[in-house]
Amino acid sequence: AQKVTQAQTEISVVEKEDVTLDCVYETRDTTYYLFWYKQPPSGELVFLIRRNSFDEQNEISGRYSWNFQKSTSSFNFTITASQVVDSAVYFCALGRGGNKLTFGTGTQLKVEL
Amino acid sequence: SQTIHQWPATLVQPVGSPLSLECTVEGTSNPNLYWYRQAAGRGLQLLFYSVGIGQISSEVPQNLSASRPQDRQFILSSKKLLLSDSGFYLCASQGQLNTGELFFGEGSRLTVL
Repeated sequence: AQKVTQAQTEISVVEKEDVTLDCVYETRDTTYYLFWYKQPPSGELVFLIRRNSFDEQNEISGRYSWNFQKSTSSFNFTITASQVVDSAVYFCALGRGGNKLTFGTGTQLKVEL
Repeated sequence: SQTIHQWPATLVQPVGSPLSLECTVEGTSNPNLYWYRQAAGRGLQLLFYSVGIGQISSEVPQNLSASRPQDRQFILSSKKLLLSDSGFYLCASQGQLNTGELFFGEGSRLTVL
């Protein structure tokens, strides 16, 4: 069975601080995909990134970066110099490709001035 | 890119009343479609998915049903709502890359009283 654990229920930071959201996954598949989604207060989930299991290169996109480590089954997400607009619920998800995703319970990030 | 429309956005219904939530997809054809429910602190739970017209798979036993009368229309229904059916319902469509990426609608918030 597939499982995604986001142990941090809620994180509060002050604007401009860096913050890391943790994600640990479990799967028996050798080929799989990992995702991060952002859910702002409006409710709609917004796709942020997809990683396949064969690509362990870390990725950076502006203030966002992702650290994928198969050895620890983790796919952590770091926001550098956080901003108030980053306040949202962030979901980590695991999928096989062409199939349904398994989501974590989400981490509520609050960025305050 | 795809656009997912859901309605109604908000719904308050008494216990025992029927339910119909509708989802339509634009910008793609023959997508895999999904209904997720988001309950507080429990992440996203997959309820139903559909790979084509009239083809519905249920993930969890429950009080709800789904139908797909047209290629880009997905409906979530109930004959008699329970209090436990309250939640935020999200419709999603598979991305064309078939790598598991999902596009989500704006969500429908259901409160059963």
